[in-house]
Amino acid sequence: TQLLEQSPQFLSIQEGENLTVYCNSSSVFSSLQWYRQEPGEGPVLLVTVVTGGEVKKLKRLTFQFGDARKDSSLHITAAQPGDTGLYLCAGVRGSQGNLIFGKGTKLSVKP
Amino acid sequence: ETGVTQSPTHLIKTRGQQVTLRCSSQSGHNTVSWYQQALGQGPQFIFQYYREEENGRGNFPPRFSGLQFPNYSSELNVNALELDDSALYLCASSHRGGSGELFFGEGSRLTVL
Repeated sequence: TQLLEQSPQFLSIQEGENLTVYCNSSSVFSSLQWYRQEPGEGPVLLVTVVTGGEVKKLKRLTFQFGDARKDSSLHITAAQPGDTGLYLCAGVRGSQGNLIFGKGTKLSVKP
Repeated sequence: ETGVTQSPTHLIKTRGQQVTLRCSSQSGHNTVSWYQQALGQGPQFIFQYYREEENGRGNFPPRFSGLQFPNYSSELNVNALELDDSALYLCASSHRGGSGELFFGEGSRLTVL
């Protein structure tokens, strides 16, 4: 059973388009993190959301944590080819470092 | 500031063999976590080491074992390799009591034939 479901699994869009990816769970997490992973590299942390309803912005990326702390979304405005990569959400439970990852959304932005 | 480094970057083994993967944590970090990422999947937590002791374990059999050394570097050992062990093995370091951010290495890509 996948604790964190990410959708869509794959997304191919043109440069300049907007997109939203979702991360849903039936479990409550103390916090949720979003990572971006490029081929041949490890995941890199983009943001941590902690409070239910929290919204964080990172340039063209907007992250939201659901009120019940079970789900999250990532919205990218005016996507660029440099945004291409695998976007992973990870729920934090228990001890530090024990992250539960979703399968990821593979994003391809074409010029 | 030195980042997380892993070795080897790629290796090929056959079923039944044993493998050791190594990780040097980022300077100032005292905690190391290991993750397995199969193709098309998100990383799965294997275990975490803090102060040279295992401090949390995911749903992996005992043939997956590890060590942490006094300098906080770490090893992941896998015995009796199976085909399904083929994956990218990621090491992540962090500082207990810090921000909670994990810093991942580039991983070791293991292929089991």
